[in-house]
Amino acid sequence: AQTVTQSQPEMSVQEAETVTLSCTYDTSESDYYLFWYKQPPSRQMILVIRQEAYKQQNATENRFSVNFQKAAKSFSLKISDSQLGDAAMYFCAYRNGNKLVFGAGTILRVKS
Amino acid sequence: GAVVSQHPSWVICKSGTSVKIECRSLDFQATTMFWYRQFPKQSLMLMATSNEGSKATYEQGVEKDKFLINHASLTLSTLTVTSAHPEDSSFYICSAATGRGSYNEQFFGPGTRLTVL
Repeated sequence: AQTVTQSQPEMSVQEAETVTLSCTYDTSESDYYLFWYKQPPSRQMILVIRQEAYKQQNATENRFSVNFQKAAKSFSLKISDSQLGDAAMYFCAYRNGNKLVFGAGTILRVKS
Repeated sequence: GAVVSQHPSWVICKSGTSVKIECRSLDFQATTMFWYRQFPKQSLMLMATSNEGSKATYEQGVEKDKFLINHASLTLSTLTVTSAHPEDSSFYICSAATGRGSYNEQFFGPGTRLTVL
């Protein structure tokens, strides 16, 4: 079974600084998708960024970028120029086929 | 963008009663809908996957007789918690997927907070 591990229960970052959230996963598949979701206090799940496993190039969405290391099964999220609105729970997720498997989540706190 | 709604957003019920939660895709047809359960400060756990017009597929450990799922149309899925008990209190989230495109992205509803007294 596929598993997703987020080893950082909580992280803090100063406003305007950069923070990296870690994620590792376990799978025997070669074709799959990886996602980072943000869940703010409203609890609405928001897609931050996605990565196809067959693509070597790391995905980037404005201030958000990933470091995808397929051989190491690692998928970290870097948030640059952190803003107060980035404070939320962040979930790493793996998808092969239909189902999403989520990590335990990392609470990100942004200090002003 | 694709919008998914849930109703109600929160509900309080007495132990032993049944509660129905609706999940609607507002501007697209969803071939597949998913139901998740989330306890405070924890991750989302998939409960079941439903396809329009067919029976839902439940994850291991989820009681299908307790959590009834109906996906009657391409825009509506319902989750009924039957004979609810305090341990069923949780945050329930649905998502919907179009089944199209390489991503077949899941779009999430805003969630329903269920409190059973």
